[in-house]
Amino acid sequence: QKEVEQDPGPLSVPEGAIVSLNCTYSNSAFQYFMWYRQYSRKGPELLMYTYSSGNKEDGRFTAQVDKSSKYISLFIRDSQPSDSATYLCAMNRDDKIIFGKGTRLHILP
Amino acid sequence: KAGVTQTPRYLIKTRGQQVTLSCSPISGHRSVSWYQQTPGQGLQFLFEYFSETQRNKGNFPGRFSGRQFSNSRSEMNVSTLELGDSALYLCASSLQRHTGPPDEQYFGPGTRLTVT
Repeated sequence: QKEVEQDPGPLSVPEGAIVSLNCTYSNSAFQYFMWYRQYSRKGPELLMYTYSSGNKEDGRFTAQVDKSSKYISLFIRDSQPSDSATYLCAMNRDDKIIFGKGTRLHILP
Repeated sequence: KAGVTQTPRYLIKTRGQQVTLSCSPISGHRSVSWYQQTPGQGLQFLFEYFSETQRNKGNFPGRFSGRQFSNSRSEMNVSTLELGDSALYLCASSLQRHTGPPDEQYFGPGTRLTVT
């Protein structure tokens, strides 16, 4: 079992819809839970991170962590075509950051 | 402030050759981490350098090596290239270690390496 699992997609949704991206993990030692966005031919950029269970909101983005279920989510409200990218979840433990494989998201105009 | 730069952006090499990739971190950043990204395995941690010392290493063979200079610029080297080494190689810089609150880690655009 991989430490971090993420559905690769692609996920296609119409503009304006709410997007839900998810990751599961197996190691309870993870401390920080991160979401990165990667546009084509670019490096990943950090969107947001959380430390504990619960929700964290930043504009149209909400990160949610459920440590009891080992499940994290990223919600995007009012999705825009500019949100089309690959979204990677990541978690750190023992001085290493473990990434999910990323979910390719397409927002259809 | 200039971002993380990586050179070259694209590279084609032949099996058995070696390659050196370069990363210039954001000014003032002392930590540089290297990652390999492939469609099959995703983004995998190679190693981290902090103040010219390798602080951590991922599960890659010894053909993958790196170093960091006193100005924090970093290079990674891959010797005896294999077809499976074709990937996007990314470096990321941060002020401190790459662990802890991750709000200071910035990725470069990557070097696309193709091994034929």
